[in-house]
Amino acid sequence: DADVTQTPRNRITKTGKRIMLECSQTKGHDRMYWYRQDPGLGLRLIYYSFDVKDINKGEISDGYSVSRQAQAKFSLSLESAIPNQTALYFCATTSGLAETDTQYFGPGTRLTVL
Amino acid sequence: GQNIDQPTEMTATEGAIVQINCTYQTSGFNGLFWYQQHAGEAPTFLSYNVLDGLEEKGRFSSFLSRSKGYSYLLLKELQMKDSASYLCAVMDSNYQLIWGAGTKLIIKP
Repeated sequence: DADVTQTPRNRITKTGKRIMLECSQTKGHDRMYWYRQDPGLGLRLIYYSFDVKDINKGEISDGYSVSRQAQAKFSLSLESAIPNQTALYFCATTSGLAETDTQYFGPGTRLTVL
Repeated sequence: GQNIDQPTEMTATEGAIVQINCTYQTSGFNGLFWYQQHAGEAPTFLSYNVLDGLEEKGRFSSFLSRSKGYSYLLLKELQMKDSASYLCAVMDSNYQLIWGAGTKLIIKP
């Protein structure tokens, strides 16, 4: 089984709809991240959480919110989706035990907002 | 501002060697990462450099010069499966990763 899973894998929605993307991990990591990836722009950090009670805004948090329901679960919500939120969204985790800590990514969610 | 530059696309021949460059300007430096990302898939970790010099791992090597704000990823004996995007990322003084846009590597037979 995959260590980091994301649901749904693909989603098409309409402008103004509320959308939730879910991420679960079995790696036992404390730190979780949400990124979006757009062609030519690389990965951009939306929100991150270092433990259940810790939530931090990333580079592009406007229009998004998150919930850390448990150590293993970190959800991203778009309260009112707009077309420029069409992107590939990745969840990632790290243990946070060392500066050399690598990020483990989920398979991604491709979101299209019409 | 913080900035990481990589070529957008490179083409190489199967069996050959290719070098993918990355230059960076960040607020502090706590290491540089290279990730591989096949089309439609998640990035996967390739290498980490924090000290100047070359780190070798099989067919892949990564070099860092902190004084020049420069790194490269060297891929030897290219295989068709190496066709992917290669992402350079720098950890800044706040231990946040700043990502480059990635270099799409096309391997031709």
